Amino acid sequence: SQQGEEDPQALSIQEGENATMNCSYKTSINNLQWYRQNSGRGLVHLILIRSNEREKHSGRLRVTLDTSKKSSSLLITASRAADTASYFCATDGMDSNYQLIWGAGTKLIIKP
Amino acid sequence: DVKVTQSSRYLVKRTGEKVFLECVQDMDHENMFWYRQDPGLGLRLIYFSYDVKMKEKGDIPEGYSVSREKKERFSLILESASTNQTSMYLCASSFPPRLVEAEKLFFGSGTQLSVL
Repeated sequence: SQQGEEDPQALSIQEGENATMNCSYKTSINNLQWYRQNSGRGLVHLILIRSNEREKHSGRLRVTLDTSKKSSSLLITASRAADTASYFCATDGMDSNYQLIWGAGTKLIIKP
Repeated sequence: DVKVTQSSRYLVKRTGEKVFLECVQDMDHENMFWYRQDPGLGLRLIYFSYDVKMKEKGDIPEGYSVSREKKERFSLILESASTNQTSMYLCASSFPPRLVEAEKLFFGSGTQLSVL
């Protein structure tokens, strides 16, 4: 079952610009997580934000969570070529038996 | 750093073969997971395990089985491989034991399996 849906499906920007990706979900959650996947590799955890948090930062990453709209956004500031990857949100739904439900991802391309 | 190691990056098998995908983690994590990833579908959970010799079905267990004889090792078995099992398989682990909510996952590099 797919709960998170990322938007846009693909995003191409110039190096140095900011990239924003959005995630919407359907049910109440305990937390929402963002992961990065470089082409053909495993996923790497970026940030976990809990349902009682509204914003979280990690280096050039900023994640916001709006539980009233059931949505989250991931902002990457001052993008670099190395940020080229697919980005996934995953939600820990309150009724999902502690399992993460994944979106289909946003493919981000940073042009040099 | 946690290391999750999957035994093969690429695997080519024939229809009907029995296939073993091995996963080992080195950080004493309680929880281990097997996902498959197909384009446009995100990650789908096949099986997971919260303890040695314990397993639970995920969303798409049909055609798969698992084994967890030791805490650090979680194996995915395709009893009789079929072409619709061609996919990227990802193993993951997490800590601590589930108490309140799902914690972050540590992933292996993935195994791209092609069934011909």
